[in-house]
Formats: sequence, structure tokens, C-alpha cells
Amino acid sequence: DAGVIQSPRHEVTEMGQEVTLRCKPISGHDYLFWYRQTMMRGLELLIYFNNNVPIDDSGMPEDRFSAKMPNASFSTLKIQPSEPRDSAVYFCASSPDADTQYFGPGTRLTVL
Amino acid sequence: AQSVTQPDIHITVSEGASLELRCNYSYGATPYLFWYVQSPGQGLQLLLKYFSGDTLVQGIKGFEAEFKRSQSSFNLRKPSVHWSDAAEYFCAVGASNNDMRFGAGTRLTVKP
Repeated sequence: DAGVIQSPRHEVTEMGQEVTLRCKPISGHDYLFWYRQTMMRGLELLIYFNNNVPIDDSGMPEDRFSAKMPNASFSTLKIQPSEPRDSAVYFCASSPDADTQYFGPGTRLTVL
Repeated sequence: AQSVTQPDIHITVSEGASLELRCNYSYGATPYLFWYVQSPGQGLQLLLKYFSGDTLVQGIKGFEAEFKRSQSSFNLRKPSVHWSDAAEYFCAVGASNNDMRFGAGTRLTVKP
């Protein structure tokens, strides 16, 4: 299996632009998680899905952030409009059950 | 509320020396406990986990961790460190895999 795939690996954008991060989970995994990692706040859970349904989005920082999972093999995290404080590494992880999470390599986002 | 504390931000050990990374948690019941490793530019990889049973848990890459309820600790150990172990290590706690909170991480440097 190729593991969790994230794209792009690096994204540089200007403040006010829309940013879309993409994730392909491991096939057969029912859970998908989005995390954000910064020096100041460490690793934070933003949202997670079970069977394509958002279960807990309490970690989403504000309305500028949205996440979707239109099918079992694809999820997006969108920031609109982006701000410099959104600069971070965003990880997607998937899990087959309430056990181990498998992380993708992350997307490093820089908002100028 | 659940929380995780990793008291050591940065640890340096010589190659071949033993290693212990500390993790303390706050949780109302017996939690799920995890240790993850993150190599530079990579996502997190699970080293080991504790849900119940034997309090000494064996993981991958020669790591082990011991759950001590009386001390609310889940310290990670390795008897002999290799240069390839240089990375950032994260302890995590949760009621389930879907409710994890991560510590701030401990960066391990290995001296030749």
C-alpha cells in the first residue's frame, strides 16, 4: 500500500488567497483525521471523519477553515481566505478502527 | 481534561547509550497511550501503544515503554541508541484513537 498521500507537499501563497490541501487515505480505512502542527501549539487535531461523515470539528480554528470528504478515498481541507498565522504543517492521517493512526508526510503551508 | 506533558524539549545522547524519554499525562480514567516518532520532513510513525494488560509494552525499532498508573507516566526507553534514532518523539493520550492529545514533543540528538 502507498500509505496516506497528501498534496501538495509544499504550498506558498499570499494572504487572502484560497488554499486547498488534499489527502488520499489508505484504502479500507474508515477514519480520516486532519492535524495542524506549529512550533507554538504543537500538533492539534482539527477535524476527523468516520465513513466520510464529519464527527468532530471542534478543533477547526474558525470559519475560514472547512473540510470535506466526498468519498472514501479523498478529503480536502480548505482555507479561505488564508492568513499568515495559518502557516503550519498540515497532516492527514487515516485509521482502520479505534487503534492506530497512519500519518501522511504532511503539507507545509506558508502564507505570505 | 486530558493533557500530556513531555518535560524534556531536547535530549542529546551518545550513540550506544541508553535512552529514556519522559511522558506524564492527566486523565480521568485509564487512557490509551501512544508514542510516535517523527523524522525530519516526515509524518508521524507509531512506535508503540498501550490500551490495557501488561504495563511493559514492546514496540518497533527496539523501543519499549512502561505504563505506571501511580505516577501517571508512560516513559519511552531504548537500551542502545542508534544514530538513525535522531528524530522528534511525541507522546499522546486519549480515550480512544479518535480523541488523542499530543505532547509538545522531545527532540532527540544522537552524538557519534
